[in-house]
Amino acid sequence: QLQLQESGPGLVKPSETLSLTCTVSGGSLSNSNYYWGWIRQPPGKGLEWIGSIYHSGSTYYNPSLKSRVTISVDTSKKQFSLKLTSVTAADTALYYCARHQLLVYFDYWGQGALVTVSS
Amino acid sequence: QSALTQPASVSGSPGQSITISCTGTSSDVGGYNYVSWYQQHPGKAPKLMIYDVSNRPSGVSNRFSGSKSGSTASLTISGLQAEDEADYYCSSYTSSSMVFGGGTKLTVL
Repeated sequence: QLQLQESGPGLVKPSETLSLTCTVSGGSLSNSNYYWGWIRQPPGKGLEWIGSIYHSGSTYYNPSLKSRVTISVDTSKKQFSLKLTSVTAADTALYYCARHQLLVYFDYWGQGALVTVSS
Repeated sequence: QSALTQPASVSGSPGQSITISCTGTSSDVGGYNYVSWYQQHPGKAPKLMIYDVSNRPSGVSNRFSGSKSGSTASLTISGLQAEDEADYYCSSYTSSSMVFGGGTKLTVL
């Protein structure tokens, strides 16, 4: 059974960089049908797609976040990572990683990692 | 890209059917048959319920069904059960990007 697990600091200071890693177990990152994505959910609010990556390194980003987001992949470690620069309180959210099937739907999700932006 | 439009809340009694709408544009919902629906219980990760407009993943009850007409997609839940009470989100592919709806809170009366 495929499992995804987010990890990273739970508290980030304003203007700094948020960094999270998603570790995949029970499956391969390199299947041709699969992309790997990040989605976030501010407390009490809805879901927002951040971006996704293919095992080759091709990336796709939400246009509204593109200038601040970098997603990378390390297939040898079965991990993919998110970096979000110049964070503000508006970036406080539960951050989920997920398998992005054919770049059209998310079929496996991690449990989520809460990141708070505060000084 | 703008979020897809969903009603903030819907409700129904056990055994009844309800439908949640998801309205987009010709650039997303109307332009592709790539609408998906997610169920989220409090404190839990979203769960895929419908993909590619009307397909159910293995293990999802056949009480859940999806459809689309023009730029509006719909999720129908028949035979409502208490366990269906949750938030529901639609999502659509749009030109190498993804957009979600604002979410609908389903209350089972």
